[in-house]
Amino acid sequence: QQQVKQSPQSLIVQKGGISIINCAYENTAFDYFPWYQQFPGKGPALLIAIRPDVSEKKEGRFTISFNKSAKQFSLHIMDSQPGDSATYFCAASLDHNSAGNNRKLIWGLGTSLAVNP
Amino acid sequence: DTGVSQDPRHKITKRGQNVTFRCDPISEHNRLYWYRQTLGQGPEFLTYFQNEAQLEKSRLLSDRFSAERPKGSFSTLEIQRTEQGDSAMYLCASSFAREVDTQYFGPGTRLTVL
Repeated sequence: QQQVKQSPQSLIVQKGGISIINCAYENTAFDYFPWYQQFPGKGPALLIAIRPDVSEKKEGRFTISFNKSAKQFSLHIMDSQPGDSATYFCAASLDHNSAGNNRKLIWGLGTSLAVNP
Repeated sequence: DTGVSQDPRHKITKRGQNVTFRCDPISEHNRLYWYRQTLGQGPEFLTYFQNEAQLEKSRLLSDRFSAERPKGSFSTLEIQRTEQGDSAMYLCASSFAREVDTQYFGPGTRLTVL
């Protein structure tokens, strides 16, 4: 059972366009939602993250929109560039104990983004 | 480069052989994680350490897998009697215990079992 469902599986966008990747989750106990970017042959790198007390977070061209009632969050890449071509993963984590030190990330299956020049 | 490093980057082995991978985390980080990633999938959690203590192991980690972090710094992941299904990218990540959500990943070790 996939706890974090990510779509689309692949995405092609023209340079300068907006890339939108969506994720949905079931467990309302999740309280941290990061997005990772992974280039071929490299490990994932944290791109941007959000907690459910805000509905939007923006860092440069990257924005997370969070809809707590719908249990959905999305990544928007504005002015997409060929250098943004990579695989993007959403993830979620929750606190497994009250001490706050037993958390692990639950990952989506990834979206392969290609930005055409 | 002060990021997470992994060695080797690629390993090709024959079925039945043992392999060992090494991860050097960011030096100040006391948490170290191992993940496995197959093509088209997100990373799957295998195990993690806080300092030298192995605090959790996934059910994915069969008896053929063992991980150590003897001095709380680098870690090794050993796979005994490798099987073709073990072929994957093995990722290491590290973090501060107080910032466990912010994990920094290494480049991974790609294992191919023939």
